[in-house]
Amino acid sequence: DAGVTQSPTHLIKTRGQHVTLRCSPISGHKSVSWYQQVLGQGPQFIFQYYEKEERGRGNFPDRFSARQFPNYSSELNVNALLLGDSALYLCASSSVPGVQETQYFGPGTRLLVL
Amino acid sequence: GENVEQHPSTLSVQEGDSAVIKCTYSDSASNYFPWYKQELGKGPQLIIDIRSNVGEKKDQRIAVTLNKTAKHFSLHITETQPEDSAVYFCAASMSTGGFKTIFGAGTRLFVKA
Repeated sequence: DAGVTQSPTHLIKTRGQHVTLRCSPISGHKSVSWYQQVLGQGPQFIFQYYEKEERGRGNFPDRFSARQFPNYSSELNVNALLLGDSALYLCASSSVPGVQETQYFGPGTRLLVL
Repeated sequence: GENVEQHPSTLSVQEGDSAVIKCTYSDSASNYFPWYKQELGKGPQLIIDIRSNVGEKKDQRIAVTLNKTAKHFSLHITETQPEDSAVYFCAASMSTGGFKTIFGAGTRLFVKA
């Protein structure tokens, strides 16, 4: 079975631009979470979505937004990019959004903002 | 706010020795504690997890212990092998103000052959 897939794998943008990252969860999983991982640090929670609704949000500015589609795939959007947004963006899926549900991570999208 | 502290940041052991990584968390509402292994260029991979109603769990060479009173949990790897070399992250999940998972800063483990 295919795991969590993310696209693109790598992306280069300039300051002020907008970016859209995509994630497809494991088949049968209905919850998707997004994380930002800056080099040398642990993943930082951005959002969790289930059944197209936001179920959790981390401490990120309003420039970050996300949505989930009827097929449970998800997009993360970042507006007005800053140099500090350069990071590995990880998507994780779980069968339901419960706190004790195991999350499975994709390989990530590496974003570089110049 | 919620916080997970992880120690040590770097750990070097000889092949065959044991490795221990320790984490503490701040939010008493946390009730799920996964551990992830991340290799270069890859996403984190779950290696073991423990739920709040369990004090200890073991899977072959890997074990995790949880002390909810002290808000402390640990990862133990026995008989380490060179392929265990990676970055390990602890995490705590909670539903305070919505579902969220907080990760530690990571431990870079080196296993010397």
